[in-house]
Amino acid sequence: GAGVSQSPRYKVAKRGQDVALRCDPISGHVSLFWYQQALGQGPEFLTYFQNEAQLDKSGLPSDRFFAERPEGSVSTLKIQRTQQEDSAVYLCASSLRDDQYNEQFFGPGTRLTVL
Amino acid sequence: AQSVTQLDSQVPVFEEAPVELRCNYSSSVSVYLFWYVQYPNQGLQLLLKYLSGSTLVKGINGFEAEFNKSQTSFHLRKPSVHISDTAEYFCAVSESFGNEKLTFGTGTRLTIIP
Repeated sequence: GAGVSQSPRYKVAKRGQDVALRCDPISGHVSLFWYQQALGQGPEFLTYFQNEAQLDKSGLPSDRFFAERPEGSVSTLKIQRTQQEDSAVYLCASSLRDDQYNEQFFGPGTRLTVL
Repeated sequence: AQSVTQLDSQVPVFEEAPVELRCNYSSSVSVYLFWYVQYPNQGLQLLLKYLSGSTLVKGINGFEAEFNKSQTSFHLRKPSVHISDTAEYFCAVSESFGNEKLTFGTGTRLTIIP
C-alpha cells in the first residue's frame, strides 16, 4: 500500500484522557497536513509540516493540541485532557512539494469519540 | 483569509440526469480551486483542480468544473450521473503562493435516485 495510513482508525476516550493519533505519509512526501472534520462539516486545517519543521500551527484550537514529526516522516497528533468538543475525524494528508502545485493525498482518518 | 460556500447541503438527482453542485469562494489573494469527493468510510479523493489557464477543467469520473473569476464561483457539473456517484463532495481553495493548506466548504451530499 503506497497511500497515507492512519492509526488507530477509531478511538474512544473518556473525557480528560490523553490520546495520540498517528499518520504515516507516502514515502518521500515532504509536506504533511492535519485537518479536523466535525460531523456534518468540511475538514478544517490544524497544522502543517515541511519535513520535520512545523511551519504553520495556526489551526490548532487550543494548547491541548500538539503535533510533531521528529524525523520528517511519521507524524503524531496528541490531544491532552480530551473534551467532548474534540470528537471528530482527524485527517492527515501528505504531498511532495517539488513544483508549483502538489496534490495532497489524504488518509482514511481517525474517528475520535470523547465520552 | 479565504472562505468557501456550498449552499446546497443535499442534492438528490435521478440516475442519468445532469447535476450541478455549486461552490462560491472569497479571497483577497490569488487562489487554486479544488473539488474533492468522499465516499462512505473512505478518505478524500481529488476530483479536479484549477491552477491557471483554461477556466474549464475536466476531472475523473466524467466531472468538470468552470472557474468564473467575476462571480467567484467554481461549480461542479456532470452531464449524466450514476449510482456510484453517491458521495459527499467538497469544494476547497488554497492560496496560490502559500503553504497549500486547504480551506473547505461544508460539503454537498449527492444522492442518486434509481
